[in-house]
Amino acid sequence: AQKVTQAQTEISVVEKEDVTLDCVYETRDTTYYLFWYKQPPSGELVFLIRRNSFDEQNEISGRYSWNFQKSTSSFNFTITASQVVDSAVYFCALSKETGFQKLVFGTGTRLLVSP
Amino acid sequence: DSGVTQTPKHLITATGQRVTLRCSPRSGDLSVYWYQQSLDQGLQFLIQYYNGEERAKGNILERFSAQQFPDLHSELNLSSLELGDSALYFCASSPHGETTDTQYFGPGTRLTVL
Repeated sequence: AQKVTQAQTEISVVEKEDVTLDCVYETRDTTYYLFWYKQPPSGELVFLIRRNSFDEQNEISGRYSWNFQKSTSSFNFTITASQVVDSAVYFCALSKETGFQKLVFGTGTRLLVSP
Repeated sequence: DSGVTQTPKHLITATGQRVTLRCSPRSGDLSVYWYQQSLDQGLQFLIQYYNGEERAKGNILERFSAQQFPDLHSELNLSSLELGDSALYFCASSPHGETTDTQYFGPGTRLTVL
């Protein structure tokens, strides 16, 4: 069975601080996909990144970066120089490489960035 | 804006009633997914359609049903509603319904059952 754990329920930071959101996953599949989605206060789910399990290179997109470590089954997300607009709930998700694509979500981490 | 549209945005109804949630996928996407987000269950996959055919079922109650029409829009029907059905219902779409796809989510329909 697949499982995603986001142990941090809520994180509060002050603007311009760096913050890392943790994601640990469990799967028996050798190939799989990992995702991060953002849910701002308005409620929609916004896609941030997808990572194939074969690709362990870290990725950077502006102030966002992702650290994928297969050895520890983790796919952590770092926001550098956080801004108030980063306040949201962030979800990590996992899907299988074969069969139908069902996203298994973690419970989410609420990030509060104060000015 | 993901390109996925959902209507209505909010829905308030009473226990025992039936409602229909509507979703239009992104242009060109053939697959539609429905998810439920509730406080106690989190985000859970309900059902997937691809080009009009049901492809996969998740934790969808028997009181719930869905379909995808020839124009690819989808409807989620919830009947005999209970208080516990109050949740945010998301529709997502992807091009081919394959695991290599990325699912893009609509803004959701917030259902409140009183």
